[in-house]
Amino acid sequence: EAGVTQFPSHSVIEKGQTVTLRCDPISGHDNLYWYRRVMGKEIKFLLHFVKESKQDESGMPNNRFLAERTGGTYSTLKVQPAELEDSGVYFCASSQGDYRGLTGELFFGEGSRLTVL
Amino acid sequence: AQKVTQAQTEISVVEKEDVTLDCVYETRDTTYYLFWYKQPPSGELVFLIRRNSFDEQNEISGRYSWNFQKSTSSFNFTITASQVVDSAVYFCALCRSNYKLTFGKGTLLTVNP
Repeated sequence: EAGVTQFPSHSVIEKGQTVTLRCDPISGHDNLYWYRRVMGKEIKFLLHFVKESKQDESGMPNNRFLAERTGGTYSTLKVQPAELEDSGVYFCASSQGDYRGLTGELFFGEGSRLTVL
Repeated sequence: AQKVTQAQTEISVVEKEDVTLDCVYETRDTTYYLFWYKQPPSGELVFLIRRNSFDEQNEISGRYSWNFQKSTSSFNFTITASQVVDSAVYFCALCRSNYKLTFGKGTLLTVNP
């Protein structure tokens, strides 16, 4: 069974450009999470989807970030326009089960490294 | 607010040595979950263990063991007889009732042959 897959693995863009990161969760997983780690800092929660609905987007840094999960399958995270401080690794994770409880294990992807020059 | 502190930024050991990775957490919740994840060079975060706040039993899984002490808010991870393949970044994390995890900064473990 395929794990959580993320694309691209690495993206290098210039300040002001747009980048879209994609995450394909494990098939059947209703819960999808985005996290990111900027250089030297902790991995931080960005948002949580349950199917196509945003359950919690309290970690989204600002309105330059837009996450979608149309149809409740894969998700995209768009950064527009990108700034230098957006550089980091963006992780996607998915889990089964009720969003209110930890009924399933959380599986992470390999991350998408974003470099903004 | 929740916080996880991994005071050790980097640890370097020689193969077969035992090594303990420290994790101290802060939370006001009475129900919470603690995790350890391993991040090998390939980049993905690999789940190692999950513990809930009501279960203070220590756990052993092969060469890995975990010591959960609520009295000191610590959840330390020990690797016995370390191997080169254990080299990775290890993250401790905390959450309430869903997977909105609060991570520590991670500890880079290097096991030298």
